[in-house]
Amino acid sequence: GQSLEQPSEVTAVEGAIVQINCTYQTSGFYGLSWYQQHDGGAPTFLSYNALDGLEEKGRFSSFLSRSKGYSYLLLKELQMKDSASYLCAVRDRRGSARQLTFGSGTQLTVLP
Amino acid sequence: DTGVSQDPRHKITKRGQNVTFRCDPISEHNRLYWYRQTLGQGPEFLTYFQNEAQLEKSRLLSDRFSAERPKGSFSTLEIQRTEQGDSAMYLCANEGGADTQYFGPGTRLTVL
Repeated sequence: GQSLEQPSEVTAVEGAIVQINCTYQTSGFYGLSWYQQHDGGAPTFLSYNALDGLEEKGRFSSFLSRSKGYSYLLLKELQMKDSASYLCAVRDRRGSARQLTFGSGTQLTVLP
Repeated sequence: DTGVSQDPRHKITKRGQNVTFRCDPISEHNRLYWYRQTLGQGPEFLTYFQNEAQLEKSRLLSDRFSAERPKGSFSTLEIQRTEQGDSAMYLCANEGGADTQYFGPGTRLTVL
């Protein structure tokens, strides 16, 4: 089976740095993705990690440790528009499909 | 805008009625997914198509649910004899390379 754990809420101030954690347990791990979802909107792809280490993409970075079943998303220079839910999702190889299993999301609130 | 469109955006129906949703994916991406999302939760996998072949269905997909993707282009998701528990956002996602899923805006279903 699979399980993903994320904090339900995180609050930070504009201009700061925030880290959102995700721990997972899965069999046949293939990779982990992060998505951003604004209220009423659809998830938007942010990053994907298949190997251990840090991937940097502008203000957003994502880290993965497969041995620890752990990932984090790092957001720098926070802006008000970054207020959204951040979803981690793991992919495992089961049967013929390449399913994504999502966590419940972490609601980030950026304060002025 | 990811290039994935869904129709309708909102649907209100009475319990027991049938509803059908449509997803028009990005034409060159051959993998298509349906998810269901309820408030405060991440998207839950329902089913997956590779071209016109439906390769996997979740246990969540009861026999009241059916999905098709004729000719490997657009896809439809039908729910028969709707129940109040079917109220949710139904998301379609198209997968391109690098394990990136592009989500449509979703169809919000309310069953009265």
